[in-house]
Amino acid sequence: EVQLVESGGGLVQPGGSLTLSCAASGFAFSSYLMSWVRQTPGKGLEWVANIKPDGSEKYEEDSVKGRFTISRDNTQNSLFLHMSSLRAEDTAVYYCAREDYMSGLDNWGQGTLVTVSS
Amino acid sequence: DIQMTQSPSALSASVGDRVTITCRASQNINNWLAWYQHKPGKAPKLLIYKASNLERGVPSRFSGSGSGTEFTLTISSLQPDDFATYYCQQYNSHSWTFGQGTKVEIQ
Repeated sequence: EVQLVESGGGLVQPGGSLTLSCAASGFAFSSYLMSWVRQTPGKGLEWVANIKPDGSEKYEEDSVKGRFTISRDNTQNSLFLHMSSLRAEDTAVYYCAREDYMSGLDNWGQGTLVTVSS
Repeated sequence: DIQMTQSPSALSASVGDRVTITCRASQNINNWLAWYQHKPGKAPKLLIYKASNLERGVPSRFSGSGSGTEFTLTISSLQPDDFATYYCQQYNSHSWTFGQGTKVEIQ
């Protein structure tokens, strides 16, 4: 069974940093692209970033470019999102998701809440 | 970036109703279109991929159609478990985008 478990969320001040982790199990992690998606309060889903299986290519949504960095450790079956220069509008539940090239985001974690507030 | 426009933003329906949600892309996405169901406090769930393919384990009352820039999600007979928010998403380009969501509520 595919399992994705996020951790690392919490309360952080504006301008601060936070790193989210996603522990993957039940599938060949090193063979899949992986994504981070967020849901802001009262709004819908927003794709944040994704990374190729070997980490060679990464893509980020425009509003987080230069502030967020996606990475992975295939030896530990783990996905990361390092977030810096955080803003109030980054407050959201952050989900990690497995990508299948044909079917899109076919498995999701339960999410971790990030709150940016003073 | 490709923009996804979903309508309606919300709808009220009764159990047994046929429900249709529309998603329009700002450019041709070559049918790289997925539909997700999202309930509060839960992980989003993939329903339909490549515009019209039913994900394994998803009930057959869900179906997707369309091509190019216009797509539709249909629930043929709404069930109590279907009250949720539904999102379309394009994965044609490296920068993926979701529609704004459609909240399906009990009438």
